Amino acid sequence: SYELTQPPSVSVSPGQTARITCSGDALPKKYAYWYQQKSGQAPVLVIYEDSKRPSGIPERFSGSSSGTMATLTISGAQVEDEADYYCYSTDSSGNHEVFGTGTKVTVL
Amino acid sequence: QVQLVQSGAEVKKPGASVKVSCKASGYTFTSYDINWVRQATGQGLEWMGWMNPNSGNTGYAQKFQGRVTMTRNTSISTAYMELSSLRSEDTAVYYCARDVVQGDYYYGMDVWGQGTTVTVSS
Repeated sequence: SYELTQPPSVSVSPGQTARITCSGDALPKKYAYWYQQKSGQAPVLVIYEDSKRPSGIPERFSGSSSGTMATLTISGAQVEDEADYYCYSTDSSGNHEVFGTGTKVTVL
Repeated sequence: QVQLVQSGAEVKKPGASVKVSCKASGYTFTSYDINWVRQATGQGLEWMGWMNPNSGNTGYAQKFQGRVTMTRNTSISTAYMELSSLRSEDTAVYYCARDVVQGDYYYGMDVWGQGTTVTVSS
């Protein structure tokens, strides 16, 4: 089955840049989506189609993709950005959607 | 406002089935697909499948094929996810989420329900 691999954790100080990677064989041909999930809450879409921000998402969130890796960047991370982040995409056939393994971002 | 409201917590015995509902409001129910995603305690998100409320068409993750059924009642703008042959590993929070699809373009899951806790225990 298709897998998207993320680092388990990323830690940054407030104001620094956090980068979260997502690795998958089909990413050269398929878009990545990113979801933020704060403790005890439902996920929130923060990036779609690799690099686009939904309305209401702060500009410090950005996305990019190159080859088999997609990256979510939080520029000038704030304490309220502490959360779990999941990438989401599909395999090359487009028939098997999957979430990444998830990354816990700590800002302290 | 656009929202998805899910049914309350369930406790089931191993081998039983559970049916979770997801009521949509604030938008045209038949215009957006519904996904179901689950999350075991302390674990990551797991995509289970999708349903088109207009046609009733569905697509399930291979892991759940044969055990999950996604249906809808358009007259009350409600989607359902039924999972059968429950086992302890199915204990999780189950979410419904609205898909934004326009033609060949997919924009992600933009609205989520509050989650329904399903506990499987003897």
